[in-house]
Amino acid sequence: ETGVTQTPRHLVMGMTNKKSLKCEQHLGHNAMYWYKQSAKKPLELMFVYSLEERVENNSVPSRFSPECPNSSHLFLHLHTLQPEDSALYLCASSQDPSRLYYEQYFGPGTRLTVT
Amino acid sequence: AQSVTQPDIHITVSEGASLELRCNYSYGATPYLFWYVQSPGQGLQLLLKYFSGDTLVQGIKGFEAEFKRSQSSFNLRKPSVHWSDAAEYFCAVGRPNNNDMRFGAGTRLTVKP
Repeated sequence: ETGVTQTPRHLVMGMTNKKSLKCEQHLGHNAMYWYKQSAKKPLELMFVYSLEERVENNSVPSRFSPECPNSSHLFLHLHTLQPEDSALYLCASSQDPSRLYYEQYFGPGTRLTVT
Repeated sequence: AQSVTQPDIHITVSEGASLELRCNYSYGATPYLFWYVQSPGQGLQLLLKYFSGDTLVQGIKGFEAEFKRSQSSFNLRKPSVHWSDAAEYFCAVGRPNNNDMRFGAGTRLTVKP
């Protein structure tokens, strides 16, 4: 595998379910990001991890819970979601933790549908 | 906080024609500026970036962009569009030494044969 991978690519879940999104980067980067991409809206930054420490949490509801066990892996745990949470969730990574957002590499995303 | 505007939601150009996608930003100092492209079913790919120095930056796939401070703009250009350039294009603005990054709403490019 190369670059940034995300699993699953598609996920349908009910509002009472618990699921997790997984992201893995094979680039040796030190910062990782979760974004939400909804139709007709700008990309929304959700969480930023730098050297496995969370450095950004953009007022994201607590039903989204990130986890970064090491610099290569990032998870987004989902619980009691709402239909408006249906979106494409993108993971990204970048190399230099002292210069966040420089040259982010994105995964293909997980298309989430909440029923 | 900074913001970024892409005035054109959808643009259609003929293959071989030139292209310019507009991006305007709002920020009190020189920002970091990026253009990304997203093909259907894919994540975003960085086309080019501007941090400082020469205001005309070259990117991948034959794209270039020019930073114009007086107009608060960072427009993306390509002299001759190929059918494979059909995609969604996003402009993004970041602030030095600040954990904040804003994306525009995107411009969808359609290429006519």
